[in-house]
Amino acid sequence: GQQLNQSPQSMFIQEGEDVSMNCTSSSIFNTWLWYKQDPGEGPVLLIALYKAGELTSNGRLTAQFGITRKDSFLNISASIPSDVGIYFCAGFGGTSYGKLTFGQGTILTVHP
Amino acid sequence: GAVVSQHPSRVICKSGTSVKIECRSLDFQATTMFWYRQFPKKSLMLMATSNEGSKATYEQGVEKDKFLINHASLTLSTLTVTSAHPEDSSFYICSARGGGPSGELFFGEGSRLTVL
Repeated sequence: GQQLNQSPQSMFIQEGEDVSMNCTSSSIFNTWLWYKQDPGEGPVLLIALYKAGELTSNGRLTAQFGITRKDSFLNISASIPSDVGIYFCAGFGGTSYGKLTFGQGTILTVHP
Repeated sequence: GAVVSQHPSRVICKSGTSVKIECRSLDFQATTMFWYRQFPKKSLMLMATSNEGSKATYEQGVEKDKFLINHASLTLSTLTVTSAHPEDSSFYICSARGGGPSGELFFGEGSRLTVL
């Protein structure tokens, strides 16, 4: 089946630093989604991307849909302690027949 | 965004018993819902696609007789873990597509199952 390669797997940063994570795929996706999951909770949608090249912001978060439609990145600026959690990229498209394919997740730790 | 609610959020049961988890779309109708399983610090693994009024579609390797899915209405899907065993202990999450044209997937809060 389709796979998304998400990196890095984990990040340890200081409060105030910027963060960048990305996902790549060997196949084309039509939609890219970025989610954040807090411990013991379900994932919460952060940003949705629908067009190649699209750059979308949500507060301190910015995500882009790669031109090739095979990658996406998420940036977090000026991180704060509540940014801690697991971030997942996910995508629709290709041979997934409507199912959402998830990346492996990036565990973010922010030191005050 | 659209609201998806799961119940119960936590359940502890004895080995051999069955447990039912409910997934509701609160402000939209969902003809399709998805059930995922997640292990600690791991990604979500799709178990099955729940279709309103018809049989669920299970992913390869998921036992349909063990994980019974019923999607009896446009706002409710249930997952029943039958004859639960300790290895079934996990975090189960449901999701549904929002009612708008964008098709984003919204997730429930998750249900933590512990089988003793």
